[in-house]
Amino acid sequence: EAGVAQSPRYKIIEKRQSVAFWCNPISGHATLYWYQQILGQGPKLLIQFQNNGVVDDSQLPKDRFSAERLKGVDSTLKIQPAKLEDSAVYLCASSVSPNEKLFFGSGTQLSVL
Amino acid sequence: GQNIDQPTEMTATEGAIVQINCTYQTSGFNGLFWYQQHAGEAPTFLSYNVLDGLEEKGRFSSFLSRSKGYSYLLLKELQMKDSASYLCAVKDSNYQLIWGAGTKLIIKP
Repeated sequence: EAGVAQSPRYKIIEKRQSVAFWCNPISGHATLYWYQQILGQGPKLLIQFQNNGVVDDSQLPKDRFSAERLKGVDSTLKIQPAKLEDSAVYLCASSVSPNEKLFFGSGTQLSVL
Repeated sequence: GQNIDQPTEMTATEGAIVQINCTYQTSGFNGLFWYQQHAGEAPTFLSYNVLDGLEEKGRFSSFLSRSKGYSYLLLKELQMKDSASYLCAVKDSNYQLIWGAGTKLIIKP
């Protein structure tokens, strides 16, 4: 069974530039999550989708971050404009349902200079 | 507020046993997860507890006491590859996952 696919693996940008991350969850997984993880901390939920609807985006900085999950499968997360404090690993995860365990992708390590 | 507490770092010797504790204060409880995360990699699932007691899975066991808001992960016969961070996460009454900051486990020969 294929896992959660994410790209790119690494990204370096300058502050005020924009960046986009892509995620393809495990086939059949209705729930998709985007997390931000800063070194030495636990994952912080940015947004949770159930199929193509948003369940929780309370911690998403909506003035600069946006996410979509068209057709309830792939998802993209965008940052525009980026700030220095956005430097982190962005993890995508999926699960069969909100009650089930999460499977994580390999993450995108973002460095904002 | 909701809170998960874990030790920041622990050190153990290869071949020994180590217990990583997790205490939680959440609005409701619908299960507790343990994940392992090697440096530079994504978290991988280790265990899930929803009822009180001990769940054993090979060298790893996880214990839960809901009345005490407490769990631990027990690792036996430690190997060098067990050096990683161990994350505790609790599902609250809304089935939202609350994550701890993780415990970095260092294994020495």
